[in-house]
Amino acid sequence: DTGVSQDPRHKITKRGQNVTFRCDPISEHNRLYWYRQTLGQGPEFLTYFQNEAQLEKSRLLSDRFSAERPKGSFSTLEIQRTEQGDSAMYLCASSLAGAPGGSGANVLTFGAGSRLTVL
Amino acid sequence: AQSVTQPDIHITVSEGASLELRCNYSYGATPYLFWYVQSPGQGLQLLLKYFSGDTLVQGIKGFEAEFKRSQSSFNLRKPSVHWSDAAEYFCAVGPNAGNNRKLIWGLGTSLAVNP
Repeated sequence: DTGVSQDPRHKITKRGQNVTFRCDPISEHNRLYWYRQTLGQGPEFLTYFQNEAQLEKSRLLSDRFSAERPKGSFSTLEIQRTEQGDSAMYLCASSLAGAPGGSGANVLTFGAGSRLTVL
Repeated sequence: AQSVTQPDIHITVSEGASLELRCNYSYGATPYLFWYVQSPGQGLQLLLKYFSGDTLVQGIKGFEAEFKRSQSSFNLRKPSVHWSDAAEYFCAVGPNAGNNRKLIWGLGTSLAVNP
């Protein structure tokens, strides 16, 4: 397993366009998370999935944002009608679900991120 | 309110010197504690974690951290810094029970290493 993969690594788009990011988690991980990170900040939680179910969404995730994980494996994050304020690094992470303190539980493995620049 | 504070925004040390990065947290329950490192343009890599047991935990790349419950701190240390340690370091806390699976992150400490 090569870890968490994200594609594309960089995306430059014009304001108003739609963009989609893909994340392939570690295969045995059933939880998948999306975070957003801007310069000089820590990651901000956007949403997470357990298997194919989207269990939680941040208030940061406006109606223009949608995430899916249709078969409980890879996930996509789509941003519609992009705005300049959407420019950020979008990070995907995966983890095992398990009992607290269990092996791997709550330990996030991150991908390298997808950097979005909206002109 | 739950929060993580990394008091030092930026630290510069000389190669070979010792390092301590501070992390203080406010959390309503016993948390899980993490340190992650992020190199420029890259994702975050787990350095170490504390779940329970021995309060001094060892991580990768020669890092260690000590959990001090009385001080609500989880400071990261390394006895001798290498130039390749220059990066952004993030402390994070998370729940050890319940359905909330989100981590709370500090704003990070940027480490520069002088040759």
